[in-house]
Parts: sequence; C-alpha cells; structure tokens
Amino acid sequence: DADVTQTPRNRITKTGKRIMLECSQTKGHDRMYWYRQDPGLGLRLIYYSFDVKDINKGEISDGYSVSRQAQAKFSLSLESAIPNQTALYFCATSEAGDGYGYTFGSGTRLTVV
Amino acid sequence: LAKTTQPISMDSYEGQEVNITCSHNNIATNDYITWYQQFPSQGPRFIIQGYKTKVTNEVASLFIPADRKSSTLSLPRVSLSDTAVYYCLVDEAAGNKLTFGGGTRVLVKP
Repeated sequence: DADVTQTPRNRITKTGKRIMLECSQTKGHDRMYWYRQDPGLGLRLIYYSFDVKDINKGEISDGYSVSRQAQAKFSLSLESAIPNQTALYFCATSEAGDGYGYTFGSGTRLTVV
Repeated sequence: LAKTTQPISMDSYEGQEVNITCSHNNIATNDYITWYQQFPSQGPRFIIQGYKTKVTNEVASLFIPADRKSSTLSLPRVSLSDTAVYYCLVDEAAGNKLTFGGGTRVLVKP
C-alpha cells in the first residue's frame, strides 16, 4: 500500500458542484499539505496543517477549504467548482527535521466542465 | 521568501553525468536545500537534502559551496528512466512550507 493515498485518482465534475478530494497517510507524520499543479508548471501550496488542530492557508487558498479529520486524514474541498480549478492535485506529508523531505501522493486529476 | 533559479531544460545521453545548478541567493541561515524528481502525472519524489559541503546517497550527490548561494545536483551515469523534471527547493525552516519553482526538465537520450 502507498504511504500517501489520494482518492479519487480522476474526477470530472460540473461547474458549481461541491467536490471533496481525500488524502490518507500511513507515515505517521504530523504535517500534511495540499498542492495544485497546472500543466507545465510547478506546484503551488493551497493549504497545510502541522497537526490535527492546525490549519493554515497557502498561496492560493481562495475557493478551497480543508478538513483535518485525524492525524492520518486531510481532505480538500472545492465548495463551488469552476473551470480554472481544473488541475492535478497532490497531497503530501512531512515530519520536521527527519531529513527526508516530503512524501507525495500519486495525485488527483480534476476536470471541471 | 527564498526563491530558486534553475535552468528550464537540459538534454543528456545515457551513461553521462548530469549536473543541474540552482541559485538561491537569499537563502537563510537555517534553510536546507532539497531536490525532488517528478515524472509525468506523478507526485514529486524526494532525492536528496543538504545544508553545506557535499551530500551523497545511492541516487545522487549534492554540492553546496561555502556561501550556500547555489547548489548543484549531480546524477551519475543517467539512464532513459531519469528523464523527469527536477526541482530545487529551499526549505524555509521557520514555516516549513516548500515553494516549488518551474523545475528543470531533463531529457535523457539513447
């Protein structure tokens, strides 16, 4: 099983719909992140959480919300999806100071039509 | 906010050594330098991390000069499967939020 699992892997949704992307991890890491990647570009941080009671906005949080249900689970919601939210979404985890960087999931490809 | 600058793309051939240099002029005292590899439609994968001088693991080496304003990722004897995008990042220790730039697209040719 993957250390960081994202569901669904692919999703097509309509403009205005609410959609949730889920992330779960077995790394035991406290820190979790959501990134988005547009074609040919680097990753941009949406939200991050350093523990269950901690939620922080990243550089592009508008139009998104998150929920940290447990140490191992971090969900990203699009309250009312719009076409320019079509992108590849990645969840990641890390443990401060362990020297091994972030562990990323395989991504969710979201298309808003 | 420390930023990094790296070449947009590089071509190489199988069996050659690939060196990618990244500049990070505004790196802070507590920041580490980390490199990731990303294949199409996959999440980035951690390659190596360093603070100063040289770090080597089974995949790559990382060279960091004394002023730490740049770093060089060295991939020895690349193969076709090393074709990917390589990201250089500075780990902002205060916030621990990775900021990704555009990366370097490395194409390994037969």
